[in-house]
Amino acid sequence: NAGVTQTPKFQVLKTGQSMTLQCAQDMNHEYMSWYRQDPGMGLRLIHYSVGAGITDQGEVPNGYNVSRSTTEDFPLRLLSAAPSQTSVYFCASSGPGTANYGYTFGSGTRLTVV
Amino acid sequence: SQKIEQNSEALNIQEGKTATLTCNYTNYSPAYLQWYRQDPGRGPVFLLLIRENEKEKRKERLKVTFDTTLKQSLFHITASQPADSATYLCALPNNRDDKIIFGKGTRLHILP
Repeated sequence: NAGVTQTPKFQVLKTGQSMTLQCAQDMNHEYMSWYRQDPGMGLRLIHYSVGAGITDQGEVPNGYNVSRSTTEDFPLRLLSAAPSQTSVYFCASSGPGTANYGYTFGSGTRLTVV
Repeated sequence: SQKIEQNSEALNIQEGKTATLTCNYTNYSPAYLQWYRQDPGRGPVFLLLIRENEKEKRKERLKVTFDTTLKQSLFHITASQPADSATYLCALPNNRDDKIIFGKGTRLHILP
């Protein structure tokens, strides 16, 4: 099993550019989430999905879009990159209900917006 | 407002001793709580989940307690080793919709 795969691992964007961070899992997990991690701020939830076709906002959703057309994939789109979106982004997935299972995290995407 | 508090200062423990990390929360009523380990440059790794009706849970050298009256969880590593050095995160579901919210983590250094 590959687990949770995130691509790319590193990315530099110019302000105003758009891009998609890819996330795929091969564990047939229902729950998937995107977090960003900044020094001193910890992990903050951006968007969340409990299954294909269902998404919801987290704590810091502004500037990001998501979709969940399949169980396996949960891409995160930056619409118009801003320096404030410089961060490390983690995708995570969980089995049926986080009350029974912890999250499996990807290795992260390190994004710099200049 | 809802808060999850973990010691922001690093914790230095001598090898072989027990390391104890604290997670306090306010304005949450979690049915469960999770602990993760994160190494530099890596994603968090799930360690343990404890439910509100479980006072204590163990996994090898790890022990977690959950006191819903004190609104606190303690995470213990017994017989600590330098390889246990990492940042440890607690996480719990928010009240409204069970989304998992993380504390900021505590850095643990096990000194040889």
